[in-house]
Amino acid sequence: ILNVEQSPQSLHVQEGDSTNFTCSFPSSNFYALHWYRWETAKSPEALFVMTLNGDEKKKGRISATLNTKEGYSYLYIKGSQPEDSATYLCAFDTNAGKSTFGDGTTLTVKP
Amino acid sequence: DAGVTQSPTHLIKTRGQQVTLRCSPKSGHDTVSWYQQALGQGPQFIFQYYEEEERQRGNFPDRFSGHQFPNYSSELNVNALLLGDSALYLCASSLWWQNSGNTIYFGEGSWLTVV
Repeated sequence: ILNVEQSPQSLHVQEGDSTNFTCSFPSSNFYALHWYRWETAKSPEALFVMTLNGDEKKKGRISATLNTKEGYSYLYIKGSQPEDSATYLCAFDTNAGKSTFGDGTTLTVKP
Repeated sequence: DAGVTQSPTHLIKTRGQQVTLRCSPKSGHDTVSWYQQALGQGPQFIFQYYEEEERQRGNFPDRFSGHQFPNYSSELNVNALLLGDSALYLCASSLWWQNSGNTIYFGEGSWLTVV
């Protein structure tokens, strides 16, 4: 059974703060790592998919890094805004092609 | 371009009953996966369908079964419902030939409550 762990479980920050959270995954049989943003009452939205060790992806104020050798990925949000409040999920793909999800980090940004 | 659509959005069933949830994938996608999300947990993979066949299955009992139709839409069936089956059921679509490392598109889910 694959174990994908995300930390922290929840995070409360002030508007304008920068923040980051972690996704840990098995370092063997790695194929891809996904990050999703899931806002309440909406469907999860894909942020990034990363496949190579050392990958860095950026979308606006959000960026992610990947270390497949040690089995972790970081998601960074610079200058958090209230609209960034959501649950951020990571998902790990093995060669088998199915995604194993972590339990998510719930971010609340206070104005 | 229609995204992933699921129905119904909410339903309540009694223990022992059977339920069918439906999913239409994003236009152009041929692969449908189903996930169960219990409160406070991440989505758990149930199974994946491509070319009307179950291709992969997660750690779920045989009470959970599915079907994919020629138009790529899919159904999730759960028999002999238990209280623990209460959860959000998410459908996700993708392209089979990009199976791994592919961006998955999710529907908004079907909330099932078993009483």
